[in-house]
Amino acid sequence: QVQLVQSGAEVKKPGASVKVSCKASGYTFTGYYMHWVRQAPGQGLEWMGRINPNSGGTNYAQKFQGRVTMTRDTSISTAYMELSRLRSDDTAVYYCARRRTASSPSDYWGQGTLVTVSS
Amino acid sequence: SYVLTQPPSVSVAPGQTARITCGGNNIGSKSVHWYQQKPGQAPVLVVYDDSDRPSGIPERFSGSNSGNTATLTISRVEAGDEADYYCQVWDSSSDHPHVVFGGGTKLTVL
Repeated sequence: QVQLVQSGAEVKKPGASVKVSCKASGYTFTGYYMHWVRQAPGQGLEWMGRINPNSGGTNYAQKFQGRVTMTRDTSISTAYMELSRLRSDDTAVYYCARRRTASSPSDYWGQGTLVTVSS
Repeated sequence: SYVLTQPPSVSVAPGQTARITCGGNNIGSKSVHWYQQKPGQAPVLVVYDDSDRPSGIPERFSGSNSGNTATLTISRVEAGDEADYYCQVWDSSSDHPHVVFGGGTKLTVL
């Protein structure tokens, strides 16, 4: 069965960076884009960007350009999202979710990773 | 940038029909997906490509999309349907194609 398993919760200080992992299983990792979506406490879903695990190509939301880096390691079917220069308003649950194509839905999601930014 | 507008809340009695709207400029030309999210859980896809249901989703969940409004309809609402619902599209109209989510609608079962 398809599973996306994310790394555990993180606590970071303002200005630091965080790297969240998303390990895929149960399907061909390179056959689906991996998207990253975050949700601040009590707020809605916010798209951050996507990576093509086959080519490594990325598309980032303009809001995060210059601060976010998405990578993957195909040998272990894992995608990564690194966010730098963290601020308190980056406190959120970060999700990975797979999609077949650009307009496809996200049919499987990770369990989410809480990132808390606090001094 | 493309904007999707949802009502913040919808309330319905058990057994009745809930309709959650998602407004966007000419949204009828796009494929709309709907997600259900319960507290502390990841979103779950309930309707995709306007009106299709993933396996395991009850037939009570249906969708439509035309003109400037997409609608998620939940028939014979149950207490377990209480959740936040989000619509989503892929916006390829700009120089930076991206995923767009609506602001979310909290469904309350009275």
